[in-house]
Amino acid sequence: DAKTTQPTSMDCAEGRAANLPCNHSTISGNEYVYWYRQIHSQGPQYIIHGLKNNETNEMASLIITEDRKSSTLILPHATLRDTAVYYCIVRGLFSGGYNKLIFGAGTRLAVHP
Amino acid sequence: AAGVIQSPRHLIKEKRETATLKCYPIPRHDTVYWYQQGPGQDPQFLISFYEKMQSDKGSIPDRFSAQQFSDYHSELNMSSLELGDSALYFCASGSSGSYTGELFFGEGSRLTVL
Repeated sequence: DAKTTQPTSMDCAEGRAANLPCNHSTISGNEYVYWYRQIHSQGPQYIIHGLKNNETNEMASLIITEDRKSSTLILPHATLRDTAVYYCIVRGLFSGGYNKLIFGAGTRLAVHP
Repeated sequence: AAGVIQSPRHLIKEKRETATLKCYPIPRHDTVYWYQQGPGQDPQFLISFYEKMQSDKGSIPDRFSAQQFSDYHSELNMSSLELGDSALYFCASGSSGSYTGELFFGEGSRLTVL
């Protein structure tokens, strides 16, 4: 699976949009971009994923560049409960379903009042 | 909704002892993944199962073994425990037929080796 690069940490004011970037320049055509987050010592939580189109769900939006070499996770109205480590993961498929998730060094997002 | 159940939540062992962690996946999920997260580190993939067969293996020590049973629950067995095995161990389950490929993680089992 392709390697990803994320900022070590970011800050965001409560109520503002949090934009978390991720570089994945070696991504293959059949690999997806996944975002997970981990709130202090809890199990990681799925946020969103995409292949090449932009995606939106109730938690966030995912913007993937046309060349697919980078993406941005957008939390439209960050709250204090969004303080967590955010992981951008590139993931392929295998014959038995989905590949494992490989957690790299994510972005520690701190949302402050 | 049912979630991934891990037991025990906390475990304290002495060096060279053995520990067993259990994971009960969400009903009808056919894949299980085990992760180890040391203090201040990111989760590291250990091993995974698909339909009760080992599907992938990561940086799992030879002292560790795991299996998935006929009821799809999984157990991680750790022998000759070392201080460095102290960590949070997460189990995750998923469905190979899922559109999102989402993995659902349990709350983890915290192992402390003294």
